[in-house]
Amino acid sequence: SYELTQPPSVSVSPGQTARITCSGDALPKKYAYWYQQKSGQAPVLVIYEDSKRPSGIPERFSGSSSGTMATLTISGAQVEDEADYYCCSTDSSGNHWVFGGGTKLTVL
Amino acid sequence: EVQLVQSGAEVKKPGESLKISCKGSGYSFTNYWIGWVRQMPGKGLEWMGIIYPGDSDTRYSPSFQGQVTISADKSISTAYLQWSSLKASDTAMYYCARKGYSYDGFDMWGQGTMVTVSS
Repeated sequence: SYELTQPPSVSVSPGQTARITCSGDALPKKYAYWYQQKSGQAPVLVIYEDSKRPSGIPERFSGSSSGTMATLTISGAQVEDEADYYCCSTDSSGNHWVFGGGTKLTVL
Repeated sequence: EVQLVQSGAEVKKPGESLKISCKGSGYSFTNYWIGWVRQMPGKGLEWMGIIYPGDSDTRYSPSFQGQVTISADKSISTAYLQWSSLKASDTAMYYCARKGYSYDGFDMWGQGTMVTVSS
């Protein structure tokens, strides 16, 4: 079955740039989506179609994709950005979704 | 206000059946796919399946095919996730989520329903 691979954890100091990667064989042809999940809360979409930001999401969140890797970048990470981040995409058929294993971002 | 509201927490015994719900409001329920996502305690998100309430077209993750049933009643703007025989390993938080109208991301999520299966 199709898999998306993320690093388990990323750690940065406040104000630094955090980059979280997501690799998957279908990413050259399928968009990546990124979700933020804070402790005890439902996930929130922060990036859609590789690089688009939903309304209400701070500009410090950006996304990119190249080849089999998508990247979520948080420029000038804030303490409130501490959360688990999940990438998500569809398989090559477009009929099944898959989440990456998640990356715990620590900002301290 | 556009929202998805899920049914409350459940505590069940192994072997029992269960149906949890997800009610959409503030938008045209029949025109958006609704997905279900499992999150086991301390673990990541897992996509279970998705349904289009307009015609009940349903797709399942291979990992959940045959284990759960996804349905919808468009007359009351509600999607469902059900089990016929629960196992302890079904203990998890379950989220419903609306797929965006023109893209494959989930742009709105319910608050989650915690299901605990224990003897």
